[in-house]
Amino acid sequence: QVQLQESGPGLVKPSETLSLTCTVSGGSISSYYCTWIRQSPGKGLEWIGYIHSTGSINYNPSLKSRISMSVHMSKNQFSLKMTSVTAADTAVYYCARGVWRLDPWGQGTLVTVSS
Amino acid sequence: EIVLTQSPATLSLSAGERATLSCRASQSVSSTYLAWYQQKPGQAPRLLISGASSRATGIPDRFSGSGSGTDFTLTISRLEPEDFAVYYCQQYGGSPPVTFGGGTKVEIK
Repeated sequence: QVQLQESGPGLVKPSETLSLTCTVSGGSISSYYCTWIRQSPGKGLEWIGYIHSTGSINYNPSLKSRISMSVHMSKNQFSLKMTSVTAADTAVYYCARGVWRLDPWGQGTLVTVSS
Repeated sequence: EIVLTQSPATLSLSAGERATLSCRASQSVSSTYLAWYQQKPGQAPRLLISGASSRATGIPDRFSGSGSGTDFTLTISRLEPEDFAVYYCQQYGGSPPVTFGGGTKVEIK
């Protein structure tokens, strides 16, 4: 079955750029939406945005100025970049397939913003 | 933005009891775009219900969803030990297009 796996640095310095990758296995990402969600420690879920395998995107307006998403078809991967990070961006970052029906999810990766 | 308010924040019940979780939207949500997720400690959320009432693959039939418009409900008919977790509702529509409720924690009484 389809599985998603997030990867990237676990520690990012304030003001730097967070870069994460979501690798999909068990199927092609053609005609595929990938949604990014984050969860601050002990908090609820925040939608970051989604990207389609064609490159179509939709970002959370509250983060739009700092994020970009991309797709790498040959690697079966999606990527998320977030610039100018602060401690408030410390969270577990998840990728999930779909837009309104998110299934499956990756296991998540904790990103800590600290000097 | 469509705000989803979940209640109660915490539900203390015993195994075998019925759990009723509420999700209220600040404006009408299409039932097609209302989903419920379960999250256990240290794990990613898992899709339980989509389209307000359709169980995802492999989800036991003790989980059921209902509702329309602004009021939606997740019911667990008889709690099993593995059901104690946090539950989130989620909608698609508006701007931003996706929002989540704050969650309901179902804990062991």
